[in-house]
Amino acid sequence: GAGVSQSPRYKVAKRGQDVALRCDPISGHVSLFWYQQALGQGPEFLTYFQNEAQLDKSGLPSDRFFAERPEGSVSTLKIQRTQQEDSAVYLCASSLDAGSQETQYFGPGTRLLVL
Amino acid sequence: AQSVAQPEDQVNVAEGNPLTVKCTYSVSGNPYLFWYVQYPNRGLQFLLKYITGDNLVKGSYGFEAEFNKSQTSFHLKKPSALVSDSALYFCAVRRRNTNAGKSTFGDGTTLTVKP
Repeated sequence: GAGVSQSPRYKVAKRGQDVALRCDPISGHVSLFWYQQALGQGPEFLTYFQNEAQLDKSGLPSDRFFAERPEGSVSTLKIQRTQQEDSAVYLCASSLDAGSQETQYFGPGTRLLVL
Repeated sequence: AQSVAQPEDQVNVAEGNPLTVKCTYSVSGNPYLFWYVQYPNRGLQFLLKYITGDNLVKGSYGFEAEFNKSQTSFHLKKPSALVSDSALYFCAVRRRNTNAGKSTFGDGTTLTVKP
């Protein structure tokens, strides 16, 4: 269908709150990626799913970050006990197939501000 | 480990002039290389990629990039810049032959095309 969508687009949280960020990938896309983009920097890899399996979570900065994709489609990135340093844009991307040559298509991102 | 360097934070060109946005990379083995463009408050849009074959890759909106293995570079070029090309450009690298798509991005180059 349409491109990758993410919600909410903007989120303001008080320090210590839990947040959940949603990603709807392009229909039928096998692979799903989460990236974190700090102000003035390029996206940094957080985690990767192939269908419902989380194959790489090496980029998650702490155990406060958790991602899931239970049915191999929609994914949620959850951040517990948010800290100010979590403020960033969180980007989701999907690709049709597995394999590192595949083009990743990005959503518009969720801008998270932790006060 | 893999890394990308975009040595110029900012590139300014006049409309109608050729443009170049530089990218060098470091990765073990042969790379897959990508260019993305980001407009304000939007996600990354795919421009082009180098997978194999011809070192000169043509992509969207008249952009092209040349893979140079000896110089480990993948510079983005366009023969005649448009004001609408003004945006933030990211280069990314991935390792070849992995069943994943973990991308490492540069910090971006802001391109400004003046009328």
